Amino acid sequence: ETGVTQSPTHLIKTRGQQVTLRCSSQSGHNTVSWYQQALGQGPQFIFQYYREEENGRGNFPPRFSGLQFPNYSSELNVNALELDDSALYLCASSTWDRAVNEKLFFGSGTQLSVL
Amino acid sequence: GQQVMQIPQYQHVQEGEDFTTYCNSSTTLSNIQWYKQRPGGHPVFLIQLVKSGEVKKQKRLTFQFGEAKKNSSLHITATQTTDVGTYFCAGDGGGSQGNLIFGKGTKLSVKP
Repeated sequence: ETGVTQSPTHLIKTRGQQVTLRCSSQSGHNTVSWYQQALGQGPQFIFQYYREEENGRGNFPPRFSGLQFPNYSSELNVNALELDDSALYLCASSTWDRAVNEKLFFGSGTQLSVL
Repeated sequence: GQQVMQIPQYQHVQEGEDFTTYCNSSTTLSNIQWYKQRPGGHPVFLIQLVKSGEVKKQKRLTFQFGEAKKNSSLHITATQTTDVGTYFCAGDGGGSQGNLIFGKGTKLSVKP
């Protein structure tokens, strides 16, 4: 088991609403990445936070935003929810390395359903 | 954009049989990682390969990184029911730091 915790575990929202997902990183890790995993697909990179700043972003619209706090925990916010946003949202913590992708320690995820 | 493809999508084996999944990237990778996701679980890191032609072993699992650093494979010898899950390869997406491009995975089922 990793030390990465996510809340809530499940969430049901309706189209147009906003949602905030939370993640506590593993002790000693200073970087948090968020991934979206649709059913039957591999995880897709949303963005990464390091030192409380967005350090990299995947191909997701601006209504996906995030925060990282001084204790390295993080939030993912999604505005104006769409049906296609229904997925498992995974948080992963790591230690940042400029030279190589560090291995990711994933949390158990938040299953978001948009109706 | 950059793609990481995995085959096969599904593999059903009898316990004791071998299993191999293949990963191909449309671009040269600086490194590749492998993850395993049990049903209903989250991805768990297995290994990272960095060098061209690298081969690493973990008990019954053998990982290879191609000479051109565009492909990789995972081979499991004598599968067990505990090997059930989806195996993902993930390559560096370049550009954004931390951007790992995951394949769609190979879902392994093992019949006892």
